[in-house]
This record gives sequence, C-alpha cells and structure tokens, in this order.
Amino acid sequence: DVKVTQSSRYLVKRTGEKVFLECVQDMDHENMFWYRQDPGLGLRLIYFSYDVKMKEKGDIPEGYSVSREKKERFSLILESASTNQTSMYLCASSAHGGLNEQFFGPGTRLTVL
Amino acid sequence: GDSVTQMEGPVTLSEEAFLTINCTYTATGYPSLFWYVQYPGEGLQLLLKATKADDKGSNKGFEATYRKETTSFHLEKGSVQVSDSAVYFCALKEASGGSYIPTFGRGTSLIVHP
Repeated sequence: DVKVTQSSRYLVKRTGEKVFLECVQDMDHENMFWYRQDPGLGLRLIYFSYDVKMKEKGDIPEGYSVSREKKERFSLILESASTNQTSMYLCASSAHGGLNEQFFGPGTRLTVL
Repeated sequence: GDSVTQMEGPVTLSEEAFLTINCTYTATGYPSLFWYVQYPGEGLQLLLKATKADDKGSNKGFEATYRKETTSFHLEKGSVQVSDSAVYFCALKEASGGSYIPTFGRGTSLIVHP
C-alpha cells in the first residue's frame, strides 16, 4: 500500500521554538509539497520540491523553510514558531505530469502556545 | 491564472438523499480534473478524476463528468450515507508544460444525518 507518512499527528510547541515537520513517501515521486489548512481558507501551498535539493516557494512561504536532501523525504522547518502558525499541516507527493494525482499524508496538527 | 470555485458549505442531507456539489473552473490549458475527499482527522485522498472532455470519473457511488463547454465538474451521488460525511475538494491540474502544482477549491463540507 502506497504511503505518505508524517512524523507527528499532534504537536505542541512554544513561541520562538524551532520546529521540524518530517514527511516521507515510498512511491519514488519526484514532487513533494507542504500545505497548511485553516478553516475557511482551504489548502494553501507553503513550498514544493520537484527534485532532490530543489525547492520553490508557494503562496505563503514567509516564516517557513524546507529541506529535501533525499528523494523520499521533505522537511518543513519553522525557524521561530509563532502563534499564527497554529494550523493543520499536510504533506503530499505526486509523480510528474498533469494526469497524476497527489497523495497526502494524515496531517500534523501543530499548536503554538 | 487557473482557479476552481466550489459551492459553499456545509451541505446537510438526510441519509439516502441525492447529492450534488458544484465545481466550476477556469484554466489556461487543458486540465485534468479531480475530486478529493477528506474524512475527519485525516489527509485528503483521491475520490475520482477525469482527464479529458466528456470523461466520467466514478468511485464508491460518486460520479463527475468533465464538461468543457460549461467548465464544470460537478460531483454527484444518488444515495448518500452517514459515512460520506467529509470535506470534498475539487481540483485541476494542467496536463502539459511541466505541471507540478494542482489548483484546489476551498472545499465543501458534507454532513449526512441518519
């Protein structure tokens, strides 16, 4: 069964902490994505990566960075967490091409106090 | 740029009722169209897709037809169940030009009562 896994389902951090969210996929997909999901706002793209060590900003990259050192792993980093980063974070992966759907992880619900 | 518009929710239905969730899109090219479903506490998963005009995607009793003339991809189900309660997302992805990123609608919440 193909899978996208995320390191934590729930996470509570304090303002100013550095936070790492990890995502791993086992489908050998080229593309990986980080979204945040907030009520009434749908999915918003933070960053994506189309190859190892490649990254592109999405719609809301401020306050976030990413790392992709291996094809199967895509990390989201909050350098200094703030309360407005409290959200659900979803990782996804896909193969190249317009016919290919995204596969999503279960999400990490992050609370910043 | 590309965009997807879904009907606002929540949509509230009784079990066995007929469901329609409207989705319209604008796209510069020839997109593939998708419906994703998100059950409570989970990530999104693909429900169905269609890759060209007049294609019908179907899965788990849900159907949607790619209508190029009306730029629509409405989701339908003849008889909903309580277990269909979820958030449904319509999405498009350009089929060419090194496409990486889908465009999502904001999601429509469906609540089905026994």
